[in-house]
Amino acid sequence: NAGVMQNPRHLVRRRGQEARLRCSPMKGHSHVYWYRQLPEEGLKFMVYLQKENIIDESGMPKERFSAEFPKEGPSILRIQQVVRGDSAAYFCASSPPVSYDRGIGGGPRGTQYFGPGTRLLVL
Amino acid sequence: AQSVSQHNHHVILSEAASLELGCNYSYGGTVNLFWYVQYPGQHLQLLLKYFSGDPLVKGIKGFEAEFIKSKFSFNLRKPSVQWSDTAEYFCAFSPRSGGSYIPTFGRGTSLIVHP
Repeated sequence: NAGVMQNPRHLVRRRGQEARLRCSPMKGHSHVYWYRQLPEEGLKFMVYLQKENIIDESGMPKERFSAEFPKEGPSILRIQQVVRGDSAAYFCASSPPVSYDRGIGGGPRGTQYFGPGTRLLVL
Repeated sequence: AQSVSQHNHHVILSEAASLELGCNYSYGGTVNLFWYVQYPGQHLQLLLKYFSGDPLVKGIKGFEAEFIKSKFSFNLRKPSVQWSDTAEYFCAFSPRSGGSYIPTFGRGTSLIVHP
């Protein structure tokens, strides 16, 4: 069972360009989460999605950032007109259905499985 | 607001030393608790978790953590560290019901183990 996959692993963009980060969840997982990791700041939640639905985007900046998880294909985190402050590691995680593990181990309250991350550098 | 406090940001130990990393969370209800580890250049992976039952949980690689409800703590321990334990350690929790269901992560503790 392949783990969470993210690509690209490293992405270099110039200010003003667009960055597209992709995430394929583990097989059987229908919940996807995006986090941003800045040095000395730990993980910051950005957005939680299920297939074709954004469930919670409370951690997403209001402008330039968007996310989707289409019916077919990977989840995409899109950053338009990147700025230097967007440079960070972006991690995707997935979790099994809410019903997993007696109803307490799945969904957003349960164990999350992380991908290797995409390290974005904005020049 | 939900938060996690990891008291030690940087810990440096020699091999065979004992390790205890502090973690306190702020939430009044029932919680799921996690420790994740991030080895250099790698992704986060689950070290151990507590959902219910015995408050002393054992994880991979000899790690264990104890949930003390009265202290809102979930400290991570290992009796004898190895050089390969050098990594970043993150404590996290999510409320079992209510609250913000998205896990709240601590800032992380960077552990360096000298050979």
